[in-house]
Parts: sequence; structure tokens; C-alpha cells
Amino acid sequence: GQQLNQSPQSMFIQEGEDVSMNCTSSSIFNTWLWYKQDPGEGPVLLIALYKAGELTSNGRLTAQFGITRKDSFLNISASIPSDVGIYFCAGRFYGGSQGNLIFGKGTKLSVKP
Amino acid sequence: NAGVTQTPKFQVLKTGQSMTLQCAQDMNHEYMSWYRQDPGMGLRLIHYSVGAGITDQGEVPNGYNVSRSTTEDFPLRLLSAAPSQTSVYFCASNQGSGTEAFFGQGTRLTVV
Repeated sequence: GQQLNQSPQSMFIQEGEDVSMNCTSSSIFNTWLWYKQDPGEGPVLLIALYKAGELTSNGRLTAQFGITRKDSFLNISASIPSDVGIYFCAGRFYGGSQGNLIFGKGTKLSVKP
Repeated sequence: NAGVTQTPKFQVLKTGQSMTLQCAQDMNHEYMSWYRQDPGMGLRLIHYSVGAGITDQGEVPNGYNVSRSTTEDFPLRLLSAAPSQTSVYFCASNQGSGTEAFFGQGTRLTVV
């Protein structure tokens, strides 16, 4: 089946550092979504991207829909302790079943104060 | 604002038992999905529905049944629980194809 490759798997950073993570696929996607999951909670949407080349910000978070439609990245600037959690990319590939989102395996972020 | 509500939050089952995980949404979303989350595996789609009366299999459907008799509810049934079904289960709903999914808080299931 279709797969998303999300990297890195985990990151340990110092408070104040910038963070970058990305997702790639061999298939063309027409939607890219970025979620954050806190411990014991369900994923919560951070940013949604619907057009190739789209660059969208949400506070300290910035995400882009790759021009090739096969990748997306998420950047977090000036990290703070509450950024800790698991970040997931998700997407619907071109031609995929309606409503069927595919998720990456997640990037676990740890922030040292 | 309830959003997506899952019950129960925690459950322990013995091997071979059956049970139903409940999911309800109050956003009038057409699409609903069930995912399981295992360490290092991300979220894997079990079953999904694009509307009342319509369901389809996802990536890991074996051992699970679903039905969608109403827009609001999408229960997940484990017919004969196995230890391999120990996982955290998330229900999600979204308005349309490829739109953002809203998740419930999850059900942590342990099968012993």
C-alpha cells in the first residue's frame, strides 16, 4: 500500500532551538496535514496544506506542501518545553479512497529546558 | 463542544472475548475512521466509512467489524479478542475527502 516516510523518528533538542521534520512519498499527494499528539490524547491538527507549493504558518510553526506533491516539511522555530510530543504527517494521495488519510510513523520531539 | 467522543477510555479483555468500542461525533461529518496506534507504527487505518450505510476496509481490518447505521455513530467490534489487538484505538471524523480529521481521545485496550 501507499506509505509515508517521516523523519527523523525522534529528536532531542535544547529549548530555543529550531526543529525541522519532513515526510516523503513515492506517490503524489493532494493533501498534507500535520498533527501533534500529546501523551494520552488524540492527535490535534496543526496545519493543513491543499496546494502544491503552499507555505503556511501557525505561530512558530511553518509547513510547506512540496512542489513535486510528494513531500512536505514542518518547521518549529524557537522551541519551548510544551512543544514536546509526537508529530505526525498525514496525507491523502491522488487517486486514494475518499476520506482515507495515511499517516507517517511520527517524530517524537523532546525539548530540554 | 463535544467533537468526537470515544468510550470506554480504558479496557482490559481476556483472549477470546468480544466487545464494541463506541465512537460518536456531533459535527455532522460524513466520513469516519478507526485507527490503531502501536509504538513505532504510527496510526494505521482499520476501517472507514464515507457515509451512513457505507463502510470499507483499511490497512489492518482483520479481526474487526464496523457498521454505520447513522451519521453520528461508528462502532468498532472486536469479535474474538487476541493479544495482538492490544493497542490504542482512535476514532476520527472529517467533513469531506482529504479534509482534516478530528480525533477522539482514544481507547487503550489490553488483551490478556
